[in-house]
Order: sequence, then C-alpha cells, then structure tokens
Amino acid sequence: RKEVEQDPGPFNVPEGATVAFNCTYSNSASQSFFWYRQDCRKEPKLLMSVYSSGNEDGRFTAQLNRASQYISLLIRDSKLSDSATYLCVVNMGRPPISTSGTYKYIFGTGTRLKVLA
Amino acid sequence: NAGVTQTPKFQVLKTGQSMTLQCAQDMNHNSMYWYRQDPGMGLRLIYYSASEGTTDKGEVPNGYNVSRLNKREFSLRLESAAPSQTSVYFCASKPRSSTTNEKLFFGSGTQLSVL
Repeated sequence: RKEVEQDPGPFNVPEGATVAFNCTYSNSASQSFFWYRQDCRKEPKLLMSVYSSGNEDGRFTAQLNRASQYISLLIRDSKLSDSATYLCVVNMGRPPISTSGTYKYIFGTGTRLKVLA
Repeated sequence: NAGVTQTPKFQVLKTGQSMTLQCAQDMNHNSMYWYRQDPGMGLRLIYYSASEGTTDKGEVPNGYNVSRLNKREFSLRLESAAPSQTSVYFCASKPRSSTTNEKLFFGSGTQLSVL
C-alpha cells in the first residue's frame, strides 16, 4: 500500500462548480500536510499547507482528519485556470535515530482537474 | 537569487552509460531532496539529505547514488542507466532540517531519456 494515496481522476467539471479531492495517508505519525499544484509536468508549487483546524485561502479550503488519516481540498467557483494536477504531500514524521535527521516529504500520485468552459 | 538550479535540463543516454544530475541551491537551505516523476504518477522520493555529508534513502533508491559534498550542492548519479530510469527528475530544498512544516523549493527539473 502506498504511503499517500489519491484518486488520479481526471475530474472534469464546468466552470463555477465546486470540486473536492481527498488524500489518505498511512503513517499515523505524519506531522505536516500540504497541497501542491503542478502544471504540465513543471515543478510543483505550494498551493497551501493544511492545518489541524482546517484553513481557507480564497476559493480553496483544506481540511485534516487525523482520526481517519485523510486530508481534503475543496475548490469553490472553479476557474479555467484551476486546471492542473493537485498533489497531496505528507511529511512522514520523525525519522529513526540512525538516519540523518531530516524529514521525508512523500507525494501522492496526484489528482488531475480539468475545468471546462 | 536563482533558487534551486538543476543541470542539465534535458539528457539522452544509452543503456549502460553513466551520468550525474546536478542540483545547487543558493538559499542556504539545509535539507535537499531528489524525486523522480513518471507519467501518471506523483513524485517519488529517491534520496534526501539533512546536511553536508549526510544522506538517506527514500522510496526508490535502487540504481542511484547521491553526494552532498557541501551545503549548496546535492548530486544524483546513475552508474549504469537503464530504460526504467527514463523520467523527469526534480531536486528540492527546504531551509531547516529539524522542522516539519516548511514548504519545498523546487528546481525546474531534468528530463532524462534512456534508450
């Protein structure tokens, strides 16, 4: 089982629609969570961090459910420019003592979103 | 600031050839990462490093070696390239090793084809 799983999509939605993506993670010790956006195999760019209490940035809302080990991203009023792949990223928590002492960031497979005119 | 710089941007190798992908950051970051991305897949972690001289294996380290000789540079070496290593390779960095909530800064990627 992959450590971070996402529905690959594609999600095809009309402009103005609301769309939601989920991402599940397997390591209960995971510490931090993020959503990144990637356009056409360019480098991923941070969309937003995900906080325990949930957080909003304009049309984007992120939620964390630690009990069920998933995070979600809600996009309201979809724009054509929102078409992209959305990558869920999980910081996998404290490494074993024998390792170098930094943290792994594990990416999900990404969910493709197409917003249609 | 250039940020994270990867070279080369494109490379074609024959099976069995070796090469080193270069990554350098000018932001005084401690942690650095190498990922690969195959079509239809997210980024998979190859190796990562907390500081100069330290490295750790990620999800898919087989067939690769890395070197972190100084704080700025983190290189990825393919000793004997295989077609299965055809991929886009991304290098990333973040400021501190001991924190969990920092974003990653990415280079623009290296498109590698192994024939």
